[in-house]
Amino acid sequence: AQKVTQAQTEISVVEKEDVTLDCVYETRDTTYYLFWYKQPPSGELVFLIRRNSFDEQNEISGRYSWNFQKSTSSFNFTITASQVVDSAVYFCALSEGRVSGYALNFGKGTSLLVTP
Amino acid sequence: SAVISQKPSRDICQRGTSLTIQCQVDSQVTMMFWYRQQPGQSLTLIATANQGSEATYESGFVIDKFPISRPNLTFSTLTVSNMSPEDSSIYLCSVVWGSHGNEQFFGPGTRLTVL
Repeated sequence: AQKVTQAQTEISVVEKEDVTLDCVYETRDTTYYLFWYKQPPSGELVFLIRRNSFDEQNEISGRYSWNFQKSTSSFNFTITASQVVDSAVYFCALSEGRVSGYALNFGKGTSLLVTP
Repeated sequence: SAVISQKPSRDICQRGTSLTIQCQVDSQVTMMFWYRQQPGQSLTLIATANQGSEATYESGFVIDKFPISRPNLTFSTLTVSNMSPEDSSIYLCSVVWGSHGNEQFFGPGTRLTVL
C-alpha cells in the first residue's frame, strides 16, 4: 500500500502566485518523520525539511511554509510568491524510524512549473 | 550536514556488463541506503547498507543483481550486474544524520544509461 500520496502530479503557476503541494501519509507507527525534498532539473535531491510526529508546529522558512496536521495525516507544503527557480519536482517522504530502519518511503512527486 | 559524493556521475553501458557505483561520505555514518529512480519516477529503496552487517534488500531487489559492499563507515559501493536497458536509472546513496534519523542527505546520484 502506498504510504505517501501526492495526488497532484503536475502543477503549473505563474510567477508570484502562491502554490500548495499536498502530501497525505499513512502509518501505524507513533514515531515517524516526514520530509520534503526538491529535485531540480539537474537531478540532485535537495533536503528541505523534516518533521517528527511529536511536533505539529507549522514552520516557515522564507517563502516556504509547511502545515503538519496529524488529524488528517497531511504534511502540505506552500510556496509563497513563487519564482521560476522553484520549478522542480517535489517529493514528500515518510520514515517510520526504527520500524523501517529509517529508510524513506517516497511519494510519486509533484512536478511544479513556474512560468514568468 | 554530511557531504556525499558519488562516482561516476553518469555512464553509458552496454547490455550484459556490470557497473560499480561508489558512494563516499565526509563523515562516519552508520546507516546508508541505496535508492533507484527510474526515468520520470519516484525513488525506490534498493537496500540498506549498514556497516558491520550484510546489506538488507527490499522486495524485488536481489544480491546477485545488486551486490553491495560497506567496508567502513564512510564508503559503500553498489554494483549493477548483467545490465539491461531496464536498469537505466539514477542511482542514489543516502545517509542518516543525527541520532534519531531525523536528517537524511542524498548523494548527487549516478545517471546510468544501458544500451
